[in-house]
Amino acid sequence: DTAVSQTPKYLVTQMGNDKSIKCEQNLGHDTMYWYKQDSKKFLKIMFSYNNKELIINETVPNRFSPKSPDKAHLNLHINSLELGDSAVYFCASSLSDSGNTIYFGEGSWLTVV
Amino acid sequence: GNSVTQMEGPVTLSEEAFLTINCTYTATGYPSLFWYVQYPGEGLQLLLKATKADDKGSNKGFEATYRKETTSFHLEKGSVQVSDSAVYFCALSDPSTNAGKSTFGDGTTLTVKP
Repeated sequence: DTAVSQTPKYLVTQMGNDKSIKCEQNLGHDTMYWYKQDSKKFLKIMFSYNNKELIINETVPNRFSPKSPDKAHLNLHINSLELGDSAVYFCASSLSDSGNTIYFGEGSWLTVV
Repeated sequence: GNSVTQMEGPVTLSEEAFLTINCTYTATGYPSLFWYVQYPGEGLQLLLKATKADDKGSNKGFEATYRKETTSFHLEKGSVQVSDSAVYFCALSDPSTNAGKSTFGDGTTLTVKP
């Protein structure tokens, strides 16, 4: 019973392609996130949604577009992929009250060639 | 703004050695503090947390105490095992900032050798 699940786990694609990563959580949380982790393990928040509304949108290229059809899902679509987009993307969720634990998915390893 | 600074890695220890990973923070309000652990090939998971000053979080032999006077939350373990090899992230969640945004440190990679 995976709490935060994301697919695909591995994705290899060519520059210029468009790809999506899907995420679902079954914890009943009202806040979901996308994080990007680079090769040095640095973790950066990209987006955060609370009850399907975008509340955090860090400096991310417009080629990245999150979509939240409902509270339990937050998908990430990436247009015109570039080599620098190669990273691990983590979906996560939490309750909106600050101080609550963030639950992470297992990550999606994206390699752009 | 909020920030978290943690000890640079990588850290390499022998099995049964004592571990300390330093973490200090700056925050405008009264944050909750966390340590997350990331094992190879996995996502981050909560290791321990503390929600107010002088609280001690503990789990799996790891401990950290919320020190408001020194704005620190150092992670310690008395005797590390090979299975503790992972990346450790210190983080804070501050209710006075954007709801739902946590601030993470840069991570410290720990390798424990037998």
